[in-house]
Amino acid sequence: NAGVTQTPKFRVLKTGQSMTLLCAQDMNHEYMYWYRQDPGMGLRLIHYSVGEGTTAKGEVPDGYNVSRLKKQNFLLGLESAAPSQTSVYFCASRTSGGALEQYFGPGTRLTVT
Amino acid sequence: AQSVTQLGSHVSVSEGALVLLRCNYSSSVPPYLFWYVQYPNQGLQLLLKYTTGATLVKGINGFEAEFKKSETSFHLTKPSAHMSDAAEYFCAVSDRGGRRALTFGSGTRLQVQP
Repeated sequence: NAGVTQTPKFRVLKTGQSMTLLCAQDMNHEYMYWYRQDPGMGLRLIHYSVGEGTTAKGEVPDGYNVSRLKKQNFLLGLESAAPSQTSVYFCASRTSGGALEQYFGPGTRLTVT
Repeated sequence: AQSVTQLGSHVSVSEGALVLLRCNYSSSVPPYLFWYVQYPNQGLQLLLKYTTGATLVKGINGFEAEFKKSETSFHLTKPSAHMSDAAEYFCAVSDRGGRRALTFGSGTRLQVQP
């Protein structure tokens, strides 16, 4: 049981390049989330999904897109990277039932130059 | 809208001393509250949570937190700090709507001096 995994762990992009971050969970969780972490700001919600085939915007969605084609995977895309998207990105998942806590992946550190 | 305020971005204590990390929240409905810990270059790990019932919540590694509705607080404490407690700590509140997402405080970095 690997929990929540994220690939890649590190990436450096040039301004204008695109990339996709992959999040996978093996806990059969319904809900999945993408957060970004910036110094002094905690984690902020980018997008989330409450089930396969559904996605919705969080607090800071601009410049990002997501897809949830399979229940276990949640992809975060950057179509045209900007330096302001330099951050650490965390994926999380949780069940739809009573257990309320979210389980986090190890993070992806992205630098946009 | 919910929000979380963590007072003190950095806290330094001596090994064996009391740890107190402060968290205040605002929420229009009874909240679900969490404390997460993040060790360097790692993801977040749940320390403890408050949902309903007993207001004093015990978590892992000897930490506990008390939900005080009148003060809208959920401060994290540990009687005796250990070097291994050095990490960043995040307080979070969960909304009760459909998305059940977390709103995080800005974090408190705990330093433990020998």
